[in-house]
Amino acid sequence: AQTVTQSQPEMSVQEAETVTLSCTYDTSESDYYLFWYKQPPSRQMILVIRQEAYKQQNATENRFSVNFQKAAKSFSLKISDSQLGDAAMYFCAYSSGSGGGADGLTFGKGTHLIIQP
Amino acid sequence: NAGVTQTPKFQVLKTGQSMTLQCAQDMNHEYMSWYRQDPGMGLRLIHYSVGAGITDQGEVPNGYNVSRSTTEDFPLRLLSAAPSQTSVYFCASSYGIAPPYEQYFGPGTRLTVT
Repeated sequence: AQTVTQSQPEMSVQEAETVTLSCTYDTSESDYYLFWYKQPPSRQMILVIRQEAYKQQNATENRFSVNFQKAAKSFSLKISDSQLGDAAMYFCAYSSGSGGGADGLTFGKGTHLIIQP
Repeated sequence: NAGVTQTPKFQVLKTGQSMTLQCAQDMNHEYMSWYRQDPGMGLRLIHYSVGAGITDQGEVPNGYNVSRSTTEDFPLRLLSAAPSQTSVYFCASSYGIAPPYEQYFGPGTRLTVT
């Protein structure tokens, strides 16, 4: 079974600075997908960014980018120019590629990101 | 589109009671699933469905029942509620199993079992 580990229960960053959230995963599969989800106090799960394992290029979405190290099974999220609205729980998630991920997402325990004004 | 809707938003049950959490989507998604989120934990998969009439178990299925009679609806039934089922429940849907795909989550139902 796959596992996802987020070793930072909480992170704090000053507004406008850059912060990196860590995620490692364990799998024996070669075809899979990785995601970062944001959960603000409203509880809504919001997809931030995704990465296909077969792509060597790191995904980027505006101020959000990932550092995907396939050999090390590492998938960190970098948030540049942090804003107060970025404060939330962030979850790293894994989906198997075989079967198209029909067996759903495996989540890490989350990192609580605090933005200091 | 309303997206993924869940009712109720909050619910309190007594041990042994039964209830159904409703989930509906209007995006014609084939794949739907239920997760639970406990404090300090990520979401864990309870049950999922890859289409009407087809369901399967996820990581934590015990105590829950599902059925999928239509593409739009995927209700989650608690047959005899227990305090261990106190949690926040999320329903999700996606276009299907063909990658890449995005799972759309509902707003969640907070369930307390006393």
